[in-house]
Amino acid sequence: GENVEQHPSTLSVQEGDSAVIKCTYSDSASNYFPWYKQELGKGPQLIIDIRSNVGEKKDQRIAVTLNKTAKHFSLHITETQPEDSAVYFCAASIQGNQFYFGTGTSLTVIP
Amino acid sequence: GAVVSQHPSWVICKSGTSVKIECRSLDFQATTMFWYRQFPKQSLMLMATSNEGSKATYEQGVEKDKFLINHASLTLSTLTVTSAHPEDSSFYICSAIAGGDEQYFGPGTRLTVT
Repeated sequence: GENVEQHPSTLSVQEGDSAVIKCTYSDSASNYFPWYKQELGKGPQLIIDIRSNVGEKKDQRIAVTLNKTAKHFSLHITETQPEDSAVYFCAASIQGNQFYFGTGTSLTVIP
Repeated sequence: GAVVSQHPSWVICKSGTSVKIECRSLDFQATTMFWYRQFPKQSLMLMATSNEGSKATYEQGVEKDKFLINHASLTLSTLTVTSAHPEDSSFYICSAIAGGDEQYFGPGTRLTVT
């Protein structure tokens, strides 16, 4: 089955700096890669996603890149703000039939 | 965006009793809903996949007689924890697929069994 690895497990950045979280996957059939943000005591929130026919996608301060050959994808957050502090999960899926999650990254943005 | 609600948001029950958690897609029809369990500081653990009008598919190690899932309509799925015990205390989260492959999560239900 699919195996998704996520690094780092914790990340601290100064406000205004960039944060990068990386994930790798094992199943070349995976074609949908969402990223979720989870605040304490709440459910995960879809923040951005990318499909295998695209190499990069950007939405304001958030961007995701995908390298199908190397089987890795990354989340980039620029100009970080304290409200970006949360746990971020990557996931890999084959057309939404089942989702395999990374272990999560706890991001702290220091004011 | 698509909205998924869960009720209740938190519940405390006594050991041996049953608890029902509702998951609703508010502004879309969900043919597939997922139920997850999450322990503190850990990732989401898929419990079962629920398709409207059919029996849920449980992940290995999840007791289907203990965690009863019903997906009676395109907007409602329920998870019933039967004969709850303290080790069932956890954060339960549902999600729904809106259309293609985008998954939207509910806010979660904190279950505490005393």
